[in-house]
Amino acid sequence: GQQLNQSPQSMFIQEGEDVSMNCTSSSIFNTWLWYKQEPGEGPVLLIALYKAGELTSNGRLTAQFGITRKDSFLNISASIPSDVGIYFCAVNYGGSQGNLIFGKGTKLSVKP
Amino acid sequence: KAGVTQTPRYLIKTRGQQVTLSCSPISGHRSVSWYQQTPGQGLQFLFEYFSETQRNKGNFPGRFSGRQFSNSRSEMNVSTLELGDSALYLCASSWPLAGGSTDTQYFGPGTRLTVL
Repeated sequence: GQQLNQSPQSMFIQEGEDVSMNCTSSSIFNTWLWYKQEPGEGPVLLIALYKAGELTSNGRLTAQFGITRKDSFLNISASIPSDVGIYFCAVNYGGSQGNLIFGKGTKLSVKP
Repeated sequence: KAGVTQTPRYLIKTRGQQVTLSCSPISGHRSVSWYQQTPGQGLQFLFEYFSETQRNKGNFPGRFSGRQFSNSRSEMNVSTLELGDSALYLCASSWPLAGGSTDTQYFGPGTRLTVL
């Protein structure tokens, strides 16, 4: 089946540092999504990307949809303790938005 | 506006039993999708319902089933539970868009199912 390769698996950083994570696929997708999940909660949508080459920001978060439509990255600038969580990339598979494929996630830990 | 709600939040069952989980989507959302999340396999798509019809189905055995009601609320059922069914089951809802597609999904907090 389709797979998304997300890296790194985990990151331990100091508060104030910038973070970068990425996601790649062997297939082309028309939508790339980035979600964050905190313990005991469902994933929360951070950024949605709909156009190849698109660069979109949401506060300290910036994500880009790769030109080849096979990859995406997420950057977090000046990390803070509340950035802790698991970040997932996801793509829309099967024609409708109701079928998402997720990467395995990047677990972010921030040391104050 | 209230978010996606799922009940119950926690459930403990034994092997061989069956279980029904419930999801109430955000008001106005007509698409409901279900996902299974485990440490080993991550988030995996189970099925999607749109206007009471199953529109997409993931690669899960027939023991996993679902339905959607006219008010868009959805239930999923797992029969003959196995130990490996222990997982967080997430429901997500989205708006309908023109042409039958749906907008971005919003997730509920999930139901944590433990099978003993």
